[in-house]
Amino acid sequence: GEDVEQSLFLSVREGDSSVINCTYTDSSSTYLYWYKQEPGAGLQLLTYIFSNMDMKQDQRLTVLLNKKDKHLSLRIADTQTGDSAIYFCAEYSNYQLIWGAGTKLIIKP
Amino acid sequence: EAQVTQNPRYLITVTGKKLTVTCSQNMNHEYMSWYRQDPGLGLRQIYYSMNVEVTDKGDVPEGYKVSRKEKRNFPLILESPSPNQTSLYFCASSPATRGADTQYFGPGTRLTVL
Repeated sequence: GEDVEQSLFLSVREGDSSVINCTYTDSSSTYLYWYKQEPGAGLQLLTYIFSNMDMKQDQRLTVLLNKKDKHLSLRIADTQTGDSAIYFCAEYSNYQLIWGAGTKLIIKP
Repeated sequence: EAQVTQNPRYLITVTGKKLTVTCSQNMNHEYMSWYRQDPGLGLRQIYYSMNVEVTDKGDVPEGYKVSRKEKRNFPLILESPSPNQTSLYFCASSPATRGADTQYFGPGTRLTVL
């Protein structure tokens, strides 16, 4: 079946940029998503990108999509302590969202 | 306020004792879904519903039942819970029938089965 993979942890210093990477397998995915889960809370949509786009920018967030390599990344500029969370990548495939395991972003002072 | 609510938020039960986790949304969404979240495994879909009286199995439906008698409610039923169903459960809803649009998540229900 379809699969989405992410690293489980990323540690960055406050003020640096964070880059969270994701690979997926379904080349026919139409939408790819990034969700954020703060401690003890549900998931919130951060941003999404349509498959015919290469890049999408939204304030401190930049999403890059490489369809050839089936690689998606989320860059968070000027990372703050409030960005500490688990970030999930998801692809839309066969009427379902297929989720990665989530990357825990750890911010060092 | 537009939201997805789940009850209870925390539940400790024993093996074999039937339980229901309720989910309700006030956004008139067609699509609703249940997920379980386990460490290192991300979210796995249990069941989903594209509309009233329409439900389909997700990736891990064994041991679970759902119903969709009204648009706003999508309860998750565990007829005979077992310890391997100890997990964090999320309900989600979406305005798009196919679930491709933004999914709105409830706060989660942490279930422990002893």
